[in-house]
Formats: sequence, C-alpha cells, structure tokens
Amino acid sequence: GESVGLHLPTLSVQEGDNSIINCAYSNSASDYFIWYKQESGKGPQFIIDIRSNMDKRQGQRVTVLLNKTVKHLSLQIAATQPGDSAVYFCAETSWGKLQFGAGTQVVVTP
Amino acid sequence: GAVVSQHPSRVICKSGTSVKIECRSLDFQATTMFWYRQFPKQSLMLMATSNEGSKATYEQGVEKDKFLINHASLTLSTLTVTSAHPEDSSFYICSARATSRPSLYEQYFGPGTRLTVT
Repeated sequence: GESVGLHLPTLSVQEGDNSIINCAYSNSASDYFIWYKQESGKGPQFIIDIRSNMDKRQGQRVTVLLNKTVKHLSLQIAATQPGDSAVYFCAETSWGKLQFGAGTQVVVTP
Repeated sequence: GAVVSQHPSRVICKSGTSVKIECRSLDFQATTMFWYRQFPKQSLMLMATSNEGSKATYEQGVEKDKFLINHASLTLSTLTVTSAHPEDSSFYICSARATSRPSLYEQYFGPGTRLTVT
C-alpha cells in the first residue's frame, strides 16, 4: 500500500546549525502535509503545514518545502537549539485522515 | 485555545482486566476525535475515528470488540481496552477536530496515555 516514509532515522546537529529533515511520500492523492514535533512521553505538537498547491511555506525558524514531482517533503530548522531535540514526523492527509511517517530523531549537540 | 486532555496519563493494569482512557476537548467542541497507538520508537498508527453520537470507524486490523470507543458528547471520547494483554502495552494518543473549524485537516492532539499491562 502507499505510505509516508523518512530517509534518516537519526539526525545529529550542532547547536546553531541548520537542520534538514526529509520525508518521502507515495500517495499522489494527498493534498495536505504537516510536520509534527514529538518530545518524549508527549503528544505530537504541530509545527507547520503546507497544501499541495504550494511548494514552500515559512514559519518562525522553520521552512517546509514540497516537491510534488519527486514526492518529497522537507523541514528546515534554522539555528537549531537544544529545545529542538525531539522526534519529527511528517504526515500526509487525504479525506481527513492523517498518515504519519516513520519519524526522525533529532539530537542537538552543544 | 484548542486544548485536548487525556486521563489518565499513565496506567498499569493486570492482564485480563479492562482499562478506560478519556479524551477531552477542553475549550472547543469536537464532533470528530481520533485514536492513535504508538509503540516505542515507532510512528503513530490510526486506530479509529470517533464521531459524536455514532459508531466509531475502525482501521483495518483493529479489533472493535477489544478497543471499545464511545463518543457520547461533543467534548468527550473514551477508549476502553478490554481484556488487556501485555502486547496491548503502548502509548495511546487522541486528537480532536473542532466542530467550529470544519477543515478536514486540523487536528489537536492530546498528551497521550501510557498503558502498561502486567
């Protein structure tokens, strides 16, 4: 079946550097994508979203890029901070249901 | 705004017993709530969609008789794990879609409930 997946299970980033988290999706019918941050023992926290009719969206220190040609989604975090250490999930949605990717553990080192 | 709570946050129960987990939307009404399950180091898996006043819709492979869902009000959905077994030990997370925000896309997540079956 179709699924959402991530390339890197763990990403180690030095504090102050930029982080890039990648996600591949396969459901061409998905029309909305969301990035979530999940800290240990907590529920997912919304970071940023993007609709399929856009290719870039910026938030505070975060940017999401969508490449529909290759079905690729990425999250860029600028000036990564210790508080950014968490697991990041991309999710795609169609017909109101969220399908989550495998997740990437981001570890911020001093 | 858009706060979702879950109770309890942690629960330990013995094998064979049942446990109920509550999901509440605190400051908004939620016609639709979702229940997810998450094993350690894994992603969230949608178990079922709960609609107020009607039967829940379960995802393929999820036993409806084992995971009983009740959405009796616009602010409360409950998940009851019946005859729990150690393999049911997991992190259960709910989310809610605001009735006033009919977008199919916005879901607000609860903090999760850690279930341990001994």
